[in-house]
Amino acid sequence: QVQLQQSGPGLVKPSQTLSLTCAVSDVSINNYLYYWSWIRQHPGKGLEWIGYSHYSGATYYSPSLRSRATIFLDTSTNQFSLELRSVTAADAAVYYCAREKGGARGGYYLDSWGQGTLVTVSS
Amino acid sequence: EVVMTQSPATLSVSPGERATVSCRASQNVGSNLAWYQQKRGQAPRLLIHDASTRATGIPARFSGSGSGTEFTLTISSLQSEDFAFYYCQQYNNWPPWTFGQGTEVEIK
Repeated sequence: QVQLQQSGPGLVKPSQTLSLTCAVSDVSINNYLYYWSWIRQHPGKGLEWIGYSHYSGATYYSPSLRSRATIFLDTSTNQFSLELRSVTAADAAVYYCAREKGGARGGYYLDSWGQGTLVTVSS
Repeated sequence: EVVMTQSPATLSVSPGERATVSCRASQNVGSNLAWYQQKRGQAPRLLIHDASTRATGIPARFSGSGSGTEFTLTISSLQSEDFAFYYCQQYNNWPPWTFGQGTEVEIK
């Protein structure tokens, strides 16, 4: 059973960079079957997919965050990370890491999730 | 971007009763739809993928149906632990994957 354990600061200053890490256990992040993703949830709101990265180098980001987000895979530590640059109050949310698994007819769904990290943006 | 619309926003159900949550896609997503359960303060949990396939360990009282643009999540007999938020998500069209706005299933 894969486990995803998140870490990173819960407080980021405006205009700075949000950095979160997700440590993966019991499966290698260089397994071609899986993509590695970040999702966020604003307080009291629904889920917003941020983007994914794959061992092959394939990445995709939501158009609304593409200019500021980067997802990195570190195969030496079996972790992946999210960087979100130039944060504002609108980026305050709970951030989740997740594993994406291929569906029977294409596409990828989120079959395992991290515990979530509440990020506050404040000086 | 595919817009996912869930209804109702809130569903009040008594324990033991049946609950039905609907999800509509703004364009055809085939069977590439998942359902997630989220309890307050917790991460979402995958319930259903490929529109109707239960994820590992999910009880049989949860079922999914539909294809194309109309989907349904049914909980046949609500248990106390089922009162939560439920989200649909499409993963058919090229990313970004998109979620419905959520449905809260509350105790009547």
